[in-house]
Amino acid sequence: KQEVTQIPAALSVPEGENLVLNCSFTDSAIYNLQWFRQDPGKGLTSLLLIQSSQREQTSGRLNASLDKSSGRSTLYIAASQPGDSATYLCAVYGQNFVFGPGTRLSVLP
Amino acid sequence: DTGVSQDPRHKITKRGQNVTFRCDPISEHNRLYWYRQTLGQGPEFLTYFQNEAQLEKSRLLSDRFSAERPKGSFSTLEIQRTEQGDSAMYLCASTYSSYNEQFFGPGTRLTVL
Repeated sequence: KQEVTQIPAALSVPEGENLVLNCSFTDSAIYNLQWFRQDPGKGLTSLLLIQSSQREQTSGRLNASLDKSSGRSTLYIAASQPGDSATYLCAVYGQNFVFGPGTRLSVLP
Repeated sequence: DTGVSQDPRHKITKRGQNVTFRCDPISEHNRLYWYRQTLGQGPEFLTYFQNEAQLEKSRLLSDRFSAERPKGSFSTLEIQRTEQGDSAMYLCASTYSSYNEQFFGPGTRLTVL
């Protein structure tokens, strides 16, 4: 059974810092991994999708990497802004999507 | 393309009542997923459809839950005889295939009193 964990559970940083969020999964037989952000009480917004054959994807200030063999992905956020404050979730797609519990990010002005 | 929509956005009901939620996916997406999310947790898979066929159901989906996608377009999720433990956010997502991004709706927040 696929299990997904995310570290840290919560993170608070001053504006402008670069930061890394971590996602680990137990079963490397996946099609892809997707990173989302979720604002309080809202649905999920897709940030990046990495196919199992890819090593990384970039979108603006975001860069996500995937190391399938070690069961890890990282989301790098450059030059963080207060508007980046949200919960960040990773999800791996094998038989079905399995989500991690998320990292709650606060970027302080 | 207006994205994935869900209705209602909020539902408050008394224990024992039946409730039904609707999801309208992105029009050209043939896969539709339902998830349940409780506070502080990631979404948990409930079921998914490929066109009108329901291909998989989680063991979380008890006999009180039923989902349909009658014409391969919108989907409904019904919960019969609601219990307080059913209180959660119910999320719908759609996609082209296993290899494509999932796009989520805003969710329906259910509160069972």
